[in-house]
Amino acid sequence: AQTVTQSQPEMSVQEAETVTLSCTYDTSESNYYLFWYKQPPSRQMILVIRQEAYKQQNATENRFSVNFQKAAKSFSLKISDSQLGDTAMYFCAFTPYDSNYQLIWGAGTKLIIKP
Amino acid sequence: DAGVTQSPTHLIKTRGQQVTLRCSPISGHKSVSWYQQVLGQGPQFIFQYYEKEERGRGNFPDRFSARQFPNYSSELNVNALLLGDSALYLCASSLGPGGYGYTFGSGTRLTVV
Repeated sequence: AQTVTQSQPEMSVQEAETVTLSCTYDTSESNYYLFWYKQPPSRQMILVIRQEAYKQQNATENRFSVNFQKAAKSFSLKISDSQLGDTAMYFCAFTPYDSNYQLIWGAGTKLIIKP
Repeated sequence: DAGVTQSPTHLIKTRGQQVTLRCSPISGHKSVSWYQQVLGQGPQFIFQYYEKEERGRGNFPDRFSARQFPNYSSELNVNALLLGDSALYLCASSLGPGGYGYTFGSGTRLTVV
C-alpha cells in the first residue's frame, strides 16, 4: 500500500523563526509528484510547493523550500521567516504517475505561529 | 478569474437520505477530482473525471457516484447516507490528470444526523 506519514501532529514556533515539517512516504513507483498543501481555518486547500521526483533539485517558492531525499523517501518542508498567516494545517501528498493521479495524503501537521 | 466553486457550503441531512454536491472547475480545467476529509484526517480520494470520463475511483462504496458535464462541472451523489458520511467534501480541478497540482474549492461540509 502507498502511504504518507507526517510524524508531527502539531508544532508551534515564534514569528520570524524557521520551522521544518517532516514527511515520509512509501511507494514502489519511481515516477511521481510530491506536494505540500496548506489548509487554513477557511478549509480551502492551498498548494504551497510541488516537486517532481525525477528532479534532484529541491523546489523553492519564496519562503518555502523542500528537502527531497528520494532514496530515503523523505520530503520535508522548511518555512523561513515564519509569519502569523502561516498558521494552518499542512498536508504532504504524493501522486504516482500511473495511479490516475489520485493524491495520497498524510494526516497533516498543525502549525501554530506565535506572535 | 473565478476559482473552484462548490455548492452548497454546508448542509445537514438525515440518515438514509440522498445528497448531491456540485463543483465548477476553473475555466479551462478539464479534470475534476473529489475527496472526502473526515475531521482531523487527511483527504481520501473518491473520484477523478477527465474529459467527462471517470479516470479513477477510490475505495468507496457504490452509494457514492459522480459525473462530469460537457462544461466540465461535476456532481457528487451519495445515496442512503450514513452517520459516517459526515465530512468535508473537497472538489479539485486541474488542467489535466497529472502533476500540475490541483486547485481546490472551499468544500461542502456535510453533516448527517
